[in-house]
Amino acid sequence: DAGITQSPRHKVTETGTPVTLRCHQTENHRYMYWYRQDPGHGLRLIHYSYGVKDTDKGEVSDGYSVSRSKTEDFLLTLESATSSQTSVYFCAINDVGNTIYFGEGSWLTVV
Amino acid sequence: TQLLEQSPQFLSIQEGENLTVYCNSSSVFSSLQWYRQEPGEGPVLLVTVVTGGEVKKLKRLTFQFGDARKDSSLHITAAQPGDTGLYLCAGGTNAGKSTFGDGTTLTVKP
Repeated sequence: DAGITQSPRHKVTETGTPVTLRCHQTENHRYMYWYRQDPGHGLRLIHYSYGVKDTDKGEVSDGYSVSRSKTEDFLLTLESATSSQTSVYFCAINDVGNTIYFGEGSWLTVV
Repeated sequence: TQLLEQSPQFLSIQEGENLTVYCNSSSVFSSLQWYRQEPGEGPVLLVTVVTGGEVKKLKRLTFQFGDARKDSSLHITAAQPGDTGLYLCAGGTNAGKSTFGDGTTLTVKP
C-alpha cells in the first residue's frame, strides 16, 4: 500500500465545465504523476511533479494543468472538459528503484 | 522517446497451460517493472528487476531481465483463472519517469 488516495473516484460532468481531480499521498514521496488510461493507448503520462511547485508536462498534457502546493497533494485540472477527456485517470508516486505505484483511479465521463 | 513493445497483445489459454509474455525495447532501462491490473482497479506491482540477466520468481511467475537491460519476459506456469488480467511492463529511468507498454490481456479459462 503506497498510501495514495484519489478523489473523486467517479465523476460525470458536462462538456465545457472545469473538473479537478485530487491525489493525496501519506508517505512524503517527492515524485508524483498523473496518467490517463484508454483502450488502445495504454497508460500515458499527462503531467508529473518532482517537488512542491515543480511540475512538468508529459506526453499528453494539452487541456490539462496541475498544481502541487504541498508535498502530499497533486491536483489535476481540466479547465474546460471535452468528450475526448473521458478516461480513467491514475495518480502515481515514484518509490525506491524508480518503481511507480498507482492509486485506485478516477473514472471521468464527459457528456 | 523510449518505447516498450509488449507481445502478445491478447492471450487466451486453458487452465494449467504455460505462457510467456514479452516486453521489448531498443532503449536501455535502469529498472523494469511488471504490473497486473484487474478491471476497475489500478495496476498493482508484481516485481522490479534492476540487474541485467536477473531472474526473479514469484510463486508460479518467473520474471527475467535481459542481459542488456532492454527487454524482459514474464513466464507463468500452470496458469489459473485467477491469473486473468492485464499485464503491463514499465521501464524506469534515473530521471524519475517510466515508459509503459500497452499491455497483454490474459484470459485463463477454467
